[in-house]
Amino acid sequence: GENVEQHPSTLSVQEGDSAVIKCTYSDSASNYFPWYKQELGKRPQLIIDIRSNVGEKKDQRIAVTLNKTAKHFSLHITETQPEDSAVYFCAASAHNDYKLSFGAGTTVTVRA
Amino acid sequence: GAGVSQSPRYKVAKRGQDVALRCDPISGHVSLFWYQQALGQGPEFLTYFQNEAQLDKSGLPSDRFFAERPEGSVSTLKIQRTQQEDSAVYLCASSLLASDTGELFFGEGSRLTVL
Repeated sequence: GENVEQHPSTLSVQEGDSAVIKCTYSDSASNYFPWYKQELGKRPQLIIDIRSNVGEKKDQRIAVTLNKTAKHFSLHITETQPEDSAVYFCAASAHNDYKLSFGAGTTVTVRA
Repeated sequence: GAGVSQSPRYKVAKRGQDVALRCDPISGHVSLFWYQQALGQGPEFLTYFQNEAQLDKSGLPSDRFFAERPEGSVSTLKIQRTQQEDSAVYLCASSLLASDTGELFFGEGSRLTVL
């Protein structure tokens, strides 16, 4: 089955700086890579996703890059704000495989 | 309701008790998933329903875990003879589509503590 590794497990950044979270996956058939944000005690919510037919996707301060050859993808948050503090999970799944395999999560703390 | 609703939000059970966790998905969503999230970990897949059909239960940890969705809407996850290792947050998620991966809408979870 799919195995998703996520690094770092914790990340502390100064407000206004950038944050980068990296994930690797094992199944070369995986072609869908979402990122979920989970605030303390709240539900995970999708913030951005990318499919394997593109290498990069941006949505305001958030971007995701994908390297299929190396089987890794990354989340980039620019101009971080205190409300970006949360746990971020990467995930992967293959076409026609409804299951998402999640990474262990990265706790991001934005210092004011 | 507007989102996925789960109940109870918190459940404390004595070891050996049976528990039932309920999920109300978004109306009209075909796909329903149960995930288990241990403290400090990412969600782990338990089972998947497409309408009322349970198409995959490969993630259920043991035969003490049972899930159903008899009318293709509300789902119940039942855990019999609870053990301490069952302590976790149980997340339900629904998705509009059946055939391909799409956005999962999660509930806020049911936190189970087994004493």
